[in-house]
Amino acid sequence: QVQLQESGPGLVKPSQTLSLTCTVSGGSISTTLYYWTWIRQHPGKGLEWIGHIYSGGSTYYNPSLESRLTMSVDTSKNQFSLKLRSVTAADTAVYYCARVYNWNYDVWGPGTTVTVSS
Amino acid sequence: ETVLSQSPATLSLSPGDRATLSCRASQSVGNSLAWYQQKPGQSPRLLIYDTSNRATGIPARFSGSGSGTDFTLTISSLEPEDFAVYYCYQRTNWFTFGPGTKVDMK
Repeated sequence: QVQLQESGPGLVKPSQTLSLTCTVSGGSISTTLYYWTWIRQHPGKGLEWIGHIYSGGSTYYNPSLESRLTMSVDTSKNQFSLKLRSVTAADTAVYYCARVYNWNYDVWGPGTTVTVSS
Repeated sequence: ETVLSQSPATLSLSPGDRATLSCRASQSVGNSLAWYQQKPGQSPRLLIYDTSNRATGIPARFSGSGSGTDFTLTISSLEPEDFAVYYCYQRTNWFTFGPGTKVDMK
């Protein structure tokens, strides 16, 4: 059974780069069936799609974040990652990684809280 | 970008009641509409995909219907574990979620 786990700093200073990693266990990230995604949820708010990445490296980014966003995959570690540059308080959120099947999200990590504050 | 709206914002019901949740899209999404359930402190869970298909392990009391711009999630008889927030989601024009409907206990 595939499981996902987010990891990374819980506190990031304004203007710095937010870096998160999602580790996939119980299955290979390289399988051709799936994309992998990051989704965030601002405090007390709804869900916002950040971007999708395929094990081969192809990406789809939310246009509202694209200028600050880089996603990558490390198949040797069965991980994918998120880097969001020049963060502000508006980037404070719970960040989830998830598996994408037919453009739906069928397996989710537990989420990690990131606070942007000096 | 397709904007999704959901109504009502909050639905106050009792166990055993029927719940009807609505989702409206700003433009047609065909049948590419899904529903997610989120309980406090938990990750969202896929309930329904492509309008009416239940995800693995989802009980038959959950059903979805609609097409184009208007969609409905129905819970035929609420169980205590169904009180949660429900989000609709579309994958036709980029990937967007609705603002959610909270189903709470009356």
